[in-house]
Amino acid sequence: SAVISQKPSRDICQRGTSLTIQCQVDSQVTMMFWYRQQPGQSLTLIATANQGSEATYESGFVIDKFPISRPNLTFSTLTVSNMSPEDSSIYLCSVEDGGRDEQYFGPGTRLTVT
Amino acid sequence: SQQGEEDPQALSIQEGENATMNCSYKTSINNLQWYRQNSGRGLVHLILIRSNEREKHSGRLRVTLDTSKKSSSLLITASRAADTASYFCATDTGRRALTFGSGTRLQVQP
Repeated sequence: SAVISQKPSRDICQRGTSLTIQCQVDSQVTMMFWYRQQPGQSLTLIATANQGSEATYESGFVIDKFPISRPNLTFSTLTVSNMSPEDSSIYLCSVEDGGRDEQYFGPGTRLTVT
Repeated sequence: SQQGEEDPQALSIQEGENATMNCSYKTSINNLQWYRQNSGRGLVHLILIRSNEREKHSGRLRVTLDTSKKSSSLLITASRAADTASYFCATDTGRRALTFGSGTRLQVQP
C-alpha cells in the first residue's frame, strides 16, 4: 500500500491567517483526495485533486477558502484560508491504490484556530 | 453529506467477546471499505468488499455486504483491548471518492 506523509502534523493558528498542508505519497497516483474531520465527527470530502486539472470541490467547499495544488503525481497541497475557529479540524489526504481500489490515508493534520 | 449511518454509535464489551458494527448506506455502490481510527489519528484501512461480494474475512475480521438492504456489518471476533477505536464504513459509488458513515466507537474492557 502507498505510504503517505503530511506536514505539518498539527498547528495552532490565529484567526484570519492561512495554513498550507502538504501531502506526499511514495508512489505516483492519479487521484488524491482531501477530507475534513471536525471534532467528534466523521470524515467529509472536501475535494478531489487530479494532476493537470482543477480540483473538484464538494458542495459546501469553495476554491477561495480551500485552494488546492497538484503539481505532480506524488504531491498535493491544501490551503485553509482566512481561518476561523470553525475550521478547527483534522485534515486528511488520501490516495487510491488503483490496482485494488483501496483508499489509504495520511496521518492527518490537526488544526486548531484560536 | 454522509452516505449512511452506523450503529451502534458506541459499543462497550469485555475482552474476548465479539463486536458487531452495522453500516447502512443510501445509494448503489461499487465497493464498501472499513477503517479504524485510534484517538483522532489517521485512518487504518481494514478491508474492502466489492458490490458483487457477500462476505470477506481478514484475520479476526469478518465483513458482510447485503446490497439489497444497502447494509454491511463488521464483526471483530475475540476482541482485545487494542481494538478500542472508532470504526468507520465508507462507500465508493463509482466516483472513487469515499462517503463515510457516522462511525462506531468501540471500547474493549480488559
